[in-house]
Amino acid sequence: DVKVTQSSRYLVKRTGEKVFLECVQDMDHENMFWYRQDPGLGLRLIYFSYDVKMKEKGDIPEGYSVSREKKERFSLILESASTNQTSMYLCASKTGGGVEQYFGPGTRLTVT
Amino acid sequence: AQSVTQPDIHITVSEGASLELRCNYSYGATPYLFWYVQSPGQGLQLLLKYFSGDTLVQGIKGFEAEFKRSQSSFNLRKPSVHWSDAAEYFCAVGLMEYGNKLVFGAGTILRVKS
Repeated sequence: DVKVTQSSRYLVKRTGEKVFLECVQDMDHENMFWYRQDPGLGLRLIYFSYDVKMKEKGDIPEGYSVSREKKERFSLILESASTNQTSMYLCASKTGGGVEQYFGPGTRLTVT
Repeated sequence: AQSVTQPDIHITVSEGASLELRCNYSYGATPYLFWYVQSPGQGLQLLLKYFSGDTLVQGIKGFEAEFKRSQSSFNLRKPSVHWSDAAEYFCAVGLMEYGNKLVFGAGTILRVKS
């Protein structure tokens, strides 16, 4: 079974803090994704990575950056957290030629 | 631009009743289509997918969906809903020319009343 894990289920941070969200997959998938989920908006793609050290902006990259130093790990970074980044963050992965994405359990981030 | 529309934000059905959740997409080519389910506080679980071939696809938990090219639709159905089906359901389109990125609809929250 594909397993995608996220470092925290719940996180509370203060405005202006630097925040790291970690995602690890154990299936040697080339592609990894970060989404944010907000009520009434569905999932929106923040960043994705085709392979190690490669990254592409998604639909809403502003205020975020990512890091992929190892194939199994994809980190989302909020350089200076703001209250409008309070959301559920979901990580996903898939094979390079595949279509189906496998999702982690999500991290609910609250910025106060 | 590619988009996915789920016109129903909330749906309430009685336990044992049938269910249909609507999904329409806007995309130039024949898409890959997915339905995911999210239980409260959980990640997304794949219910079913359509890539090609038979337009009626079967998924897990007794769900099925039908791809209708003429209507650009991929509606999800279940003949008899169980209380445990209460969750949020997302339709998604896979974009082949963008590395198979997914575009999601806004979701439909299903409530089941006993």
